[in-house]
Amino acid sequence: QQPVQSPQAVILREGEDAVINCSSSKALYSVHWYRQKHGEAPVFLMILLKGGEQKGHEKISASFNEKKQQSSLYLTASQLSYSGTYFCGTGFKAAGNKLTFGGGTRVLVKP
Amino acid sequence: EAGVAQSPRYKIIEKRQSVAFWCNPISGHATLYWYQQILGQGPKLLIQFQNNGVVDDSQLPKDRFSAERLKGVDSTLKIQPAKLEDSAVYLCASSLVFQGLNEKLFFGSGTQLSVL
Repeated sequence: QQPVQSPQAVILREGEDAVINCSSSKALYSVHWYRQKHGEAPVFLMILLKGGEQKGHEKISASFNEKKQQSSLYLTASQLSYSGTYFCGTGFKAAGNKLTFGGGTRVLVKP
Repeated sequence: EAGVAQSPRYKIIEKRQSVAFWCNPISGHATLYWYQQILGQGPKLLIQFQNNGVVDDSQLPKDRFSAERLKGVDSTLKIQPAKLEDSAVYLCASSLVFQGLNEKLFFGSGTQLSVL
């Protein structure tokens, strides 16, 4: 039930855009997005719920596509501070409200 | 607001030894989680507490791992005996109420365990 994230890694120049996808083999109820910098705790970015609207955090936004069973995270006009590993966590009501994390996407933003 | 506190920050032990990790969640948070994060992978849930009761421990290797949350506040995770494959970062997280899938988790900085 672990979600699949793609790409596994991405390198950007400051100001460029990127998209990270999180795909599930089952119908999603909720998707969480977290960012983790090296040696630090994962930090919450946003939650998307089934039927909910697209969310945003600074210039980072995300969408939830129920038909595709997928969520996408959009890094717009990337900043150096966006570097880190991004994890999606998916939840299914039938799974007892348990959150399962994907393998992560490493993002490096260069000057 | 104080965050989730964990200790120790690093621990190096030899295989077959025992080790314990401590976590103090954010004050007032009812739900506490222990995750194992192997290098290059996403966090894997080991155990979830609601106050001082276990909600989910289906992925906890119970032959060697144990966890408790006394009085519904602090928690300890123990490994006895440790194996090489237990080398990982152990993250503690908490949330205000029972994880209803629409509630964010607050993570601690983790304990990095190396088993030699």
